[in-house]
Amino acid sequence: QVQLQESGPGLVEPSQTLSLTCTVSGGSITSGGYYWGWIRQLPGKGLEWIGYIYYSGSTYYNPSLKSLVTISIGTSKNHFSLRLSSVTAADTAVYYCARYAMVQGSFDYWGQGALVTVSS
Amino acid sequence: QSALTQPASVSGSPGQSITISCTGTSSDVGGYEYVSWYQQHPGKAPKLMIYDVTNRPSGVSDRFSGSKSGNTASLTISGLQAEDEADYYCSSYSNSNTLVVFGGGTKLTVV
Repeated sequence: QVQLQESGPGLVEPSQTLSLTCTVSGGSITSGGYYWGWIRQLPGKGLEWIGYIYYSGSTYYNPSLKSLVTISIGTSKNHFSLRLSSVTAADTAVYYCARYAMVQGSFDYWGQGALVTVSS
Repeated sequence: QSALTQPASVSGSPGQSITISCTGTSSDVGGYEYVSWYQQHPGKAPKLMIYDVTNRPSGVSDRFSGSKSGNTASLTISGLQAEDEADYYCSSYSNSNTLVVFGGGTKLTVV
């Protein structure tokens, strides 16, 4: 059973960089056929795709966030990371990491989510 | 403004059936068989309920079914149960620069 777990600071100051890590267990990030992605949910709102990465390092980002987002992969420790720069209060959200099954076109496994608040 | 349009809320009584619609365009829902549905209970992560328009992951009740006609996909839940009360989100692959799009979510109330 694949499991994902987000970790990182729960509080980030405005204009700083939000950094989260997703640790994958029960499966390898280097398994073909999957993207490893980030999705966020603003308070009381719906889901927003941030982007995802293939184990080869290829990345795909939501155009609305592309200039501020970096997703990277650390194969030696079976984890991948999200960096979102120049954050504002509008970036306060629950951030989920999830596995995207390419053949199914869907996120089949999700982390429990990490609440990140942007505030001074 | 979400890329896919869902009703904000639907309701039904135990034992009844309900359908949630998800309307997109030919660039997403209408053009591909990559429509998925997620169930989210308060404070929990989304859970995949339907993928590839009609397929259920292992362990998902057969009371959940999906379909698509043109640019509109639908999720039907039959034999409503109290535990089905949750938010439901549709999603689709898109050939725009935003590769993955979501609906705004539908709150299902079992009254």
